[in-house]
Order: sequence, then C-alpha cells, then structure tokens
Amino acid sequence: SQTIHQWPATLVQPVGSPLSLECTVEGTSNPNLYWYRQAAGRGLQLLFYSVGIGQISSEVPQNLSASRPQDRQFILSSKKLLLSDSGFYLCAWSIVWGTGELFFGEGSRLTVL
Amino acid sequence: SQQGEEDPQALSIQEGENATMNCSYKTSINNLQWYRQNSGRGLVHLILIRSNEREKHSGRLRVTLDTSKKSSSLLITASRAADTASYFCATVLYNNNDMRFGAGTRLTVKP
Repeated sequence: SQTIHQWPATLVQPVGSPLSLECTVEGTSNPNLYWYRQAAGRGLQLLFYSVGIGQISSEVPQNLSASRPQDRQFILSSKKLLLSDSGFYLCAWSIVWGTGELFFGEGSRLTVL
Repeated sequence: SQQGEEDPQALSIQEGENATMNCSYKTSINNLQWYRQNSGRGLVHLILIRSNEREKHSGRLRVTLDTSKKSSSLLITASRAADTASYFCATVLYNNNDMRFGAGTRLTVKP
C-alpha cells in the first residue's frame, strides 16, 4: 500500500532563517506531488506541484521554492523565512493529474518568530 | 484562489442527528470532491462525484451535485462524536483540471 511521510511535524524558526520541509511517498511510482499551505481556519492554497523528477510548477510568486530530486521525494525550501510564511504545510500525492483524489501527509506546522 | 464556498462555516449538532454541509462554486467543473480534516492533521479524501453524476453514497455519507445551481451537499447521517472535524469541498475545474479548495465547514458533534 502507498504511504506518504512528511517531516518535521512542527518547526519554530526565526525570521531570516532557512527552511526545508521534506515529503516522501512509498509504494507507488511517478506520483504527482503537491505542496499546499493552509492558513488558520482557511482552505488550502496550492503552492507547487510536480508531475515528474525535476519538473516544478509554481502557483503563486513567493518566498518559497520546491524541488523534486527523486521520483518520490518533494522538498519545500526557503532561503530566508518571513513572518508571513507561518502556516500549516501539507504535502500530497495523486495517481491521476488534476482529476483524481489527493492523498495527504500529516502536515508540518511552521511558526516564524 | 478559492473556488468552492462551504456553508455553514460552523455546525454543531448532537450525536445521532444528521449533518448537512453545502458547497457552491462558480465555474464549470470536471468533478467535485469532499475531504475531511481532523484538527492539526492532514486531509482525508471522502468521496468524489463527477459532473455527470447527481448523487453518490458511501456508508453514512451522501453527496449530491446540482450542476445547474453549481452546488453540492454532503450529508452525514446518524452522526457520531468521531465525525467532529472540518469538511472541505474541492472542485476540479473543467478547463484546466485545477483543484480548488473551499474554506471548510467545521462540524462539532456533541456526545
């Protein structure tokens, strides 16, 4: 069966520090991968998606970047965090691009102080 | 940007009662999906209904879709305290397959 792992679960970082959130999927090949951000009490905002190794599409201009160094690994990074980067970050994968259901990780809560 | 708008934003009911949540959207869709999120956790897919379907069931869940009104509803029958969670609708847009989430309905089921 397929599983998705996301870490760290909780992160408190000072403004201006770097960020690296990691997500890996097991039990499937060539998944579509996504990074979402969820502000408190809000819906999900799609940040990045990837349909293959090295292929990254960005939905919104921001202080963050994403990379997919391996087929089932998706990394969310920042060189210098802003206060506005605080939030709940969710990694997800899907078999079918666009129309299929998403399978989410447990999320990473980032607090920037 | 959000596409679906859930209504109500919050709903509190007693165990055993039915819970109905609504989702409205603005543009043509390929399909509509409902997800559940326990506090501080990831989202879990509940059900997917395609644009050519009008109703779908899964256990105690019943989803309807009215494309003429651009709306969907999620009914949870005989609710349990364990159903307490936030419920989100997600619309997959017809023209580009983008998936957009609403802000969710927070359901509280009191034992």
